[in-house]
Amino acid sequence: EVQLLESGGTLVQPGGSLRLSCAASGFTFSSYAMSWVRQAPGKGLEWVSTISGSGVNIYYADSVKGRFTISRDNSKNTLSVQMHNLRAEDTAVYYCAKSGWPTLFYFDYWGQGTLVTVSS
Amino acid sequence: EIVLTQSPGTLSLSPGEGATLSCRASQSVSSGYLAWYQQKPGQAPRLLIYGASSRATGIPDRFSGSGSGTDFTLTISRLEPEDFAVYYCQHYGSSPWTFGQGTKVEVK
Repeated sequence: EVQLLESGGTLVQPGGSLRLSCAASGFTFSSYAMSWVRQAPGKGLEWVSTISGSGVNIYYADSVKGRFTISRDNSKNTLSVQMHNLRAEDTAVYYCAKSGWPTLFYFDYWGQGTLVTVSS
Repeated sequence: EIVLTQSPGTLSLSPGEGATLSCRASQSVSSGYLAWYQQKPGQAPRLLIYGASSRATGIPDRFSGSGSGTDFTLTISRLEPEDFAVYYCQHYGSSPWTFGQGTKVEVK
């Protein structure tokens, strides 16, 4: 059974930094691209970033480029995102999501999400 | 960037009725790389359809997807009580992958 468990969400001040993690199990982690998708309170879904199974190919939404860094540790089946210079508009539930096919970026499994609140 | 526009914003229907949800792309979605998700309050999204028309594992056959190019449709043949939720389309042909703004299917 595929399981994705996010952690690290909390209240942080504007301009602050935060690292989110996602522990994966139930599939061959290194074979699949992984992504972060967020959802601001009461709003729709927004793709944030994707990293290929090998970690070589990385993609970011323009809204986070230069501030967020996605990474993965295939030896520990863990996905992470380091977030810097956080803004109020980064407030959201952040979901970890697995790609449905190794190199196709739709999302067949999602974690339960972790809430990041950026506020003073 | 491909912008996805979903319509209608809200669909008010009764259980047993059929639902037709639209997703229009601002430019052609390559190879039909279009997915649909269902999200209920307080839950993570669930994949329904990928490749425009392929049902994900465990998805009932009352859900079907169709379309190509810039126009895509999610059809729910007969609404069950558990189908009342928000539905999102997403393209994954080229970065940035984007989502539509969602269609809420509510009980009439």
